[in-house]
Amino acid sequence: SYVLTQPPSVSVAPGQTARITCGGNNIGSKSVHWYQQKPGQAPVLVVYDDSDRPSGIPERFSGSNSGNTATLTISRVEAGDEADYYCQVWDSSSDHSWVFGGGTKLTVL
Amino acid sequence: EVQLVESGGGLVQPGGSLRLSCAASGFTFSSYEMNWVRQAPGKGLEWVSYISSSGSTIYYADSVKGRFTISRDNAKNSLYLQMNSLRAEDTAVYYCARTLPWRTYGMDVWGQGTTVTVSS
Repeated sequence: SYVLTQPPSVSVAPGQTARITCGGNNIGSKSVHWYQQKPGQAPVLVVYDDSDRPSGIPERFSGSNSGNTATLTISRVEAGDEADYYCQVWDSSSDHSWVFGGGTKLTVL
Repeated sequence: EVQLVESGGGLVQPGGSLRLSCAASGFTFSSYEMNWVRQAPGKGLEWVSYISSSGSTIYYADSVKGRFTISRDNAKNSLYLQMNSLRAEDTAVYYCARTLPWRTYGMDVWGQGTTVTVSS
């Protein structure tokens, strides 16, 4: 089965740039989606199809995907960005499964 | 407003059954593929099941295959998850989520979740 690997935690100071990676075998050939989840709340889609933003998501959130790594970049980080972030792909090769990464806790220092 | 509202969670004994519901509003439910995703306490997200817009195509995670059944009633704008032979490891918050309307299979709208606890 397909595996997505995320760092457990990332820390960044307010105003700086946070980069959260998602590793997977040839992930660059797949469409990657990113979700933000704050404590006690449902996940929210922040980036879809590698680099597109749903309406209402700030331009500070961006994504890229190439080779074996996809990256969610959050520019000018704010205290309100502190949350868990999950990457997700659809894997058609393993009996059609939706795969999530293990999640990354973003801490704003 | 586009909205998904889950219900039906609760406390159930191991080996028991539970039926979750997800009521959709604010969009044409019959045009969208849907998913169930769960999150065990303190853990990450785990995909559970998928159903196509017509209900003709269904997929399950290996962890629930043979025990859970996904279904939908487009006339009632509702999605369901019948859970049988429940185990302690099925304890989680269960979310229903709408699939993006193109074939990249992200999930753009999520419900608030309903909690299932399997314990004696």
